Amino acid sequence: GAVVSQHPSWVICKSGTSVKIECRSLDFQATTMFWYRQFPKQSLMLMATSNEGSKATYEQGVEKDKFLINHASLTLSTLTVTSAHPEDSSFYICSAERGTTEAFFGQGTRLTVV
Amino acid sequence: GQNIDQPTEMTATEGAIVQINCTYQTSGFNGLFWYQQHAGEAPTFLSYNVLDGLEEKGRFSSFLSRSKGYSYLLLKELQMKDSASYLCAVKDGNYQLIWGAGTKLIIKP
Repeated sequence: GAVVSQHPSWVICKSGTSVKIECRSLDFQATTMFWYRQFPKQSLMLMATSNEGSKATYEQGVEKDKFLINHASLTLSTLTVTSAHPEDSSFYICSAERGTTEAFFGQGTRLTVV
Repeated sequence: GQNIDQPTEMTATEGAIVQINCTYQTSGFNGLFWYQQHAGEAPTFLSYNVLDGLEEKGRFSSFLSRSKGYSYLLLKELQMKDSASYLCAVKDGNYQLIWGAGTKLIIKP
């Protein structure tokens, strides 16, 4: 299967700072990338959909000024959590689509804000 | 609205067979996916069905009935490592992926 690389795998940051998470499709060009958030023992919650070269589409209730998404190329999307707070601590997962039927997930990033 | 229903939790015995059901109501349909997710890890792809019928892949099989809005994931010869959450997801008419809440499968020796 295709490979999607997400970095970092885990990060601890101080409250008020910003954290950038990268998602790369290593061996294919991703038409669309998705960013999810997952709280313990809960399912994936879609945060936003990003297409290369255009603005991301955010789901209802997700603050676009807080969760900045940049999709600079067909192989790279970044999520920046700005002015992080402890309630932003979560597991963030990206996925990249190849065509319209296949989605591959990154390894996930566990963010802890202290 | 759109929704995906699957049982919250199931328990099965090592070596046995288990069937995890998924029912869906979506605006349009462009395929159904099953993913496996171990605790603390990202989901991994198991299967994709877009036509009615059974897709077999080793110990795992997935079935789809579009007319009934129904799918199941069948796991045979269960192993302890199969203990995980199993997520059902459907692509709707806009190719948006709608996720179920997941079924936590507990395997007992």
